[in-house]
Amino acid sequence: RKEVEQDPGPFNVPEGATVAFNCTYSNSASQSFFWYRQDCRKEPKLLMSVYSSGNEDGRFTAQLNRASQYISLLIRDSKLSDSATYLCVVRRDAGKSTFGDGTTLTVKP
Amino acid sequence: DTGVSQNPRHKITKRGQNVTFRCDPISEHNRLYWYRQTLGQGPEFLTYFQNEAQLEKSRLLSDRFSAERPKGSFSTLEIQRTEQGDSAMYLCASSLVQGDTEAFFGQGTRLTVV
Repeated sequence: RKEVEQDPGPFNVPEGATVAFNCTYSNSASQSFFWYRQDCRKEPKLLMSVYSSGNEDGRFTAQLNRASQYISLLIRDSKLSDSATYLCVVRRDAGKSTFGDGTTLTVKP
Repeated sequence: DTGVSQNPRHKITKRGQNVTFRCDPISEHNRLYWYRQTLGQGPEFLTYFQNEAQLEKSRLLSDRFSAERPKGSFSTLEIQRTEQGDSAMYLCASSLVQGDTEAFFGQGTRLTVV
């Protein structure tokens, strides 16, 4: 079993839709959590950190449930430019980060 | 450009040859990470440095792989006796030590072993 698991998708949604991605992690000692975005053949870039209280950045909302070891990302009012692969990232300490294999989103006109 | 820089961007090599990649992190970042990514997978941790000290190395990293960061600035990743299974994107990232900080990635070096 992988340490970080994501539904690979693909998720194909129309513009304006709301879409949610889930991620589970197995190491209960994990301390920090992130969502990264990766465009095709590009490097990953930080989308947002994830906090226990939940956090929002514009159309993006991230939630963390430590008891269930579950992280989510909600995208509201999807744009064509949101099409990408979304990587769930879990960090045990200040060093190594473990990435999920990503969830692919395609937003269609 | 003040981001993470990796060279070369692409490398094609014959099986059995040695290759070396270079990463220049963001200048004030003291942590430097190497990852490997293959198609359809997320980045896979290889190793990381804090300043010049190599603090962790993945069990996936065979003895053909070695990384250095001699002066705590740039880093090199060498693969000896390359195999076709080494074909991948090699990503470097850097971050600050303190706090819950973002790791910034370079654009990667795409290795193809033929």
